[in-house]
Amino acid sequence: GQQLNQSPQSMFIQEGEDVSMNCTSSSIFNTWLWYKQDPGEGPVLLIALYKAGELTSNGRLTAQFGITRKDSFLNISASIPSDVGIYFCAGQSPKSSNDYKLSFGAGTTVTVRA
Amino acid sequence: GAVVSQHPSWVICKSGTSVKIECRSLDFQATTMFWYRQFPKQSLMLMATSNEGSKATYEQGVEKDKFLINHASLTLSTLTVTSAHPEDSSFYICSAPWRGGYTQYFGPGTRLTVL
Repeated sequence: GQQLNQSPQSMFIQEGEDVSMNCTSSSIFNTWLWYKQDPGEGPVLLIALYKAGELTSNGRLTAQFGITRKDSFLNISASIPSDVGIYFCAGQSPKSSNDYKLSFGAGTTVTVRA
Repeated sequence: GAVVSQHPSWVICKSGTSVKIECRSLDFQATTMFWYRQFPKQSLMLMATSNEGSKATYEQGVEKDKFLINHASLTLSTLTVTSAHPEDSSFYICSAPWRGGYTQYFGPGTRLTVL
């Protein structure tokens, strides 16, 4: 799938800080998904967004599906050391009922200073 | 959420041998599964779409004779790397759509090292 524009590429944050990252696309998506990947493991689904304008939380994580359907952001509040990892956004725009391919961002690497 | 497993989690093989990687959806059925390849510090690269009961669909540039995919049942897809070479060393990850396809869950990945 096409590459999404994800920023920032990396960030160093202080424990306790809030973090924000976003993804943009030139195409419209019907679904936005946010994943976290730890070294040597597969991506783990954090939040799924299905409607334009939708704002969804999962603990300290909050994500929104942009009104234009071309962007999404993820916020992490009160960072802790276990938030370290690579965060990926993914978008899905089914062309048919059986096309579930995802387009991925390049990832945001988060490192927390204790 | 749904659970996807992979086996093995890591494998080391000699150049020229073939390696089979399994992807299973443990608590749901998946008529479609996806196979990805990931290089260090890079995003996931889709290799192919595995379709239960029919041939896999490969992305441009992926050799279908090199990476054989078989979707034997509604819960199992296999990726066989044939005549593996060191350049095939990578992290291979599968995923499966869940609940109508609008959410995807990933397996834990398989680290392949070809000597």
